[in-house]
Amino acid sequence: GENVEQHPSTLSVQEGDSAVIKCTYSDSASNYFPWYKQELGKRPQLIIDIRSNVGEKKDQRIAVTLNKTAKHFSLHITETQPEDSAVYFCAASKPSGAGKSTFGDGTTLTVKP
Amino acid sequence: KAGVTQTPRYLIKTRGQQVTLSCSPISGHRSVSWYQQTPGQGLQFLFEYFSETQRNKGNFPGRFSGRQFSNSRSEMNVSTLELGDSALYLCASSLAGPAMNTEAFFGQGTRLTVV
Repeated sequence: GENVEQHPSTLSVQEGDSAVIKCTYSDSASNYFPWYKQELGKRPQLIIDIRSNVGEKKDQRIAVTLNKTAKHFSLHITETQPEDSAVYFCAASKPSGAGKSTFGDGTTLTVKP
Repeated sequence: KAGVTQTPRYLIKTRGQQVTLSCSPISGHRSVSWYQQTPGQGLQFLFEYFSETQRNKGNFPGRFSGRQFSNSRSEMNVSTLELGDSALYLCASSLAGPAMNTEAFFGQGTRLTVV
C-alpha cells in the first residue's frame, strides 16, 4: 500500500522566517496531495492541496510543490506568524480510494515571536 | 451549512467492552472515512464508506467495524476493547465520487479512553 514519510517531525522558526515541510510517497498512482493543519485540541483542516497534473500551487503565504518523478511534495510557509504554530499533516490519495488518504506522521511547527 | 458532527465527544470504557461511535457528514457528502489518531502514530486510516458500501479498509483487526446508512450517517464499532484502543477517533466527509478526490472535512472527534 501507500507509504507517506514526512520530515521534519518538529520545526521551530522565528516569526517572519520561512518554514518548509517535506513529504515523500511510494505509490505512483497517487494523484491528490492535501495538507492539513491541526491546532491544539482542534480538528484537522485543509490548508492547501495539489493534484498530480500541477507542479505548484500558491495561496497567499502558503505554497505547495509536487515532483511526480521523485514522488515528493513540499509545503512552504513564508513570513511565518505565531498563529501558524500547529501540527501539519501531508497526505496522498489514489483515484480509486478517494476517501482513503494515507497521512504522514505530522510536523509540529512552532513559530517564536 | 452544518459541519461534520461526531458523537459522543468523550467516552470512557472498560477493557472488554464494546463501543459505537457516530458520525453525521456534511449534507450532500456521500463519502465518510474514519481515522484513529494517537500521539505517536499520527492519523491511521480505518475505513471509508461511500453510498452505504465499504470502499476501503485500513490495517486494523476485525474488532473494528463500521457501516453507513442511507442518509450517509456512519457508525463505527469497536468490540472487545483493549487499552491500546485509547485514541481520538476522527471521521471525515467529502463529496468524493468513485474516481474523484476532494477535500475531506473532519469532525471534532470522539476521545475514547479505555481503562
